[in-house]
Amino acid sequence: GAGVSQSPSNKVTEKGKDVELRCDPISGHTALYWYRQSLGQGLEFLIYFQGNSAPDKSGLPSDRFSAERTGGSVSTLTIQRTQQEDSAVYLCASSLVASGGLGQETQYFGPGTRLLVL
Amino acid sequence: AQTVTQSQPEMSVQEAETVTLSCTYDTSESNYYLFWYKQPPSRQMILVIRQEAYKQQNATENRFSVNFQKAAKSFSLKISDSQLGDTAMYFCAFRGGTSYGKLTFGQGTILTVHP
Repeated sequence: GAGVSQSPSNKVTEKGKDVELRCDPISGHTALYWYRQSLGQGLEFLIYFQGNSAPDKSGLPSDRFSAERTGGSVSTLTIQRTQQEDSAVYLCASSLVASGGLGQETQYFGPGTRLLVL
Repeated sequence: AQTVTQSQPEMSVQEAETVTLSCTYDTSESNYYLFWYKQPPSRQMILVIRQEAYKQQNATENRFSVNFQKAAKSFSLKISDSQLGDTAMYFCAFRGGTSYGKLTFGQGTILTVHP
């Protein structure tokens, strides 16, 4: 079946502009994750959605970052007033959480969006 | 907080030979999951192998196998019969067993397979 898709593949923006990054998870996957991959910080967790539960936002680096997940499917990561340090690859992943399980699921990743802030 | 350490920034191997990538981690949890992901130049993170901490048997997937030493908190990846397509960045990742949440990644190891 189709994997996780992300759009756009690449985004170039000017400092101070807002950007929206989109993630389309694997159909039926209830959990969705955003990660950021940058040269200086490696791979960092940003935010996690699971079903109708409140998202885990503990990894968001500042209040300029926000994310939503509509209808339990597609997610949008929004970065307001972008800064040069926001330049990175933003990766989305999804997983199927086993009912009553201990989180045995494997996360499947999309191809990422490369963001460049000039 | 959990930490994952990959001490080899770069490794190289000749085609058809065997190479081992190292990973150590630190956690106070007793039940958790460990993963190796591969990221080729296309950026797509691909799961290579996973290990549940409660299982004593080391996981294997075709040419890929792990050496999981729970007491030593070590989780190395062995690639046998290396192929040119194995050239990629390899990440070791940890996820606690008490939540459904985030993966904690190591810094990555760039593996180059030479013909």
